[in-house]
Amino acid sequence: AQSVTQLDSQVPVFEEAPVELRCNYSSSVSVYLFWYVQYPNQGLQLLLKYLSGSTLVKGINGFEAEFNKSQTSFHLRKPSVHISDTAEYFCAVSERGNEKLTFGTGTRLTIIP
Amino acid sequence: GAGVSQTPSNKVTEKGKYVELRCDPISGHTALYWYRQSLGQGPEFLIYFQGTGAADDSGLPNDRFFAVRPEGSVSTLKIQRTERGDSAVYLCASSLGGGTLYEQYFGPGTRLTVT
Repeated sequence: AQSVTQLDSQVPVFEEAPVELRCNYSSSVSVYLFWYVQYPNQGLQLLLKYLSGSTLVKGINGFEAEFNKSQTSFHLRKPSVHISDTAEYFCAVSERGNEKLTFGTGTRLTIIP
Repeated sequence: GAGVSQTPSNKVTEKGKYVELRCDPISGHTALYWYRQSLGQGPEFLIYFQGTGAADDSGLPNDRFFAVRPEGSVSTLKIQRTERGDSAVYLCASSLGGGTLYEQYFGPGTRLTVT
């Protein structure tokens, strides 16, 4: 069965500093990987996804993530964060041929002015 | 255009009561998903519809939970004999087609509180 681990439940970062949110997954088969963002009082929104091809994936709002098969990781990065990036970020995995998403427990990103 | 909508936004019920949660997907989306998000956790898959039929209901925790989508559009999640442990935010998502190659668009959720 697939699973996702987000080790950092909270990450405080100063405004304009870089950030990395960690995600590791476990699966016995090939997977698709996703990052979703949940802004305060809003629904989940897709940031980016890895399906195949280039391991470096670019998403909305300047975020990117890199798929590392050997380390079973899909860490999310942004070179310079803004106050508006304050939100909860969820990593998710789906096994190929399986429609359901399995989510991690989330990382709360707090931007310090 | 209109996104996924869910009603009610909040529902408070007493232990043992029956509740229905409604999801209106984006028009034209054939796939519909229900997830449950407990406090401090990520969303947990419950059930997936392709058209009118439940293609995967492996996430429903027990037989108190049931969902329908009779006309392939609106879906209702039904919970019988509610328990305090059912308290959570219930999320609905829809996508153009089945499979996670298609982006899932999430609604704002229904917060269920069982007292």
